[in-house]
Amino acid sequence: DQQVKQNSPSLSVQEGRISILNCDYTNSMFDYFLWYKKYPAEGPTFLISISSIKDKNEDGRFTVFLNKSAKHLSLHIVPSQPGDSAVYFCAASASFGNEKLTFGTGTRLTIIP
Amino acid sequence: SQTIHQWPATLVQPVGSPLSLECTVEGTSNPNLYWYRQAAGRGLQLLFYSVGIGQISSEVPQNLSASRPQDRQFILSSKKLLLSDSGFYLCAWRPSGRPYNEQFFGPGTRLTVL
Repeated sequence: DQQVKQNSPSLSVQEGRISILNCDYTNSMFDYFLWYKKYPAEGPTFLISISSIKDKNEDGRFTVFLNKSAKHLSLHIVPSQPGDSAVYFCAASASFGNEKLTFGTGTRLTIIP
Repeated sequence: SQTIHQWPATLVQPVGSPLSLECTVEGTSNPNLYWYRQAAGRGLQLLFYSVGIGQISSEVPQNLSASRPQDRQFILSSKKLLLSDSGFYLCAWRPSGRPYNEQFFGPGTRLTVL
């Protein structure tokens, strides 16, 4: 049962334009969401997170939007840069002592110069 | 600042051989520690986590085990490797007592079982 889904395995975006990565979840107990960026043969790097009490969180070029009613979140990167080319994982967590992060299968973002 | 180390970076092992992967965290105390595996083309699967020395929780019953002999050391082991154990193994840590589950990952170990 895939509780966190990233339905687009890959995405190509022109340099300087906006990249939008999407993530859907099914478990209504999830209340904290994270985005990680991963280069080949390296560990994932934490990018940005959002709590369910918010619907938007911004950090520089990265913004995460959360739509709780649709159980959907998205990561916006603007402007996109060549160094943003990587695999992006969405992850979700339920609070109150739950240690588990549930990850999506990732979206490979390619920024075209 | 906190640093997480994993070794070895790559490993090629024959089927049936034992395994020991090590992870250590510096710059923090009493972290929560995690082992994940990423199989080819898949997401990250949580294997084990630990909230303290000697405390191990298993998420997926399989051919692997974990131990935490010291506060900042987490070890992933197997007595006999299977072909299906091949993958990219990641250790992660989380500051204890934080309300939100932000985990920080090490560089990973690429394991190939032949």
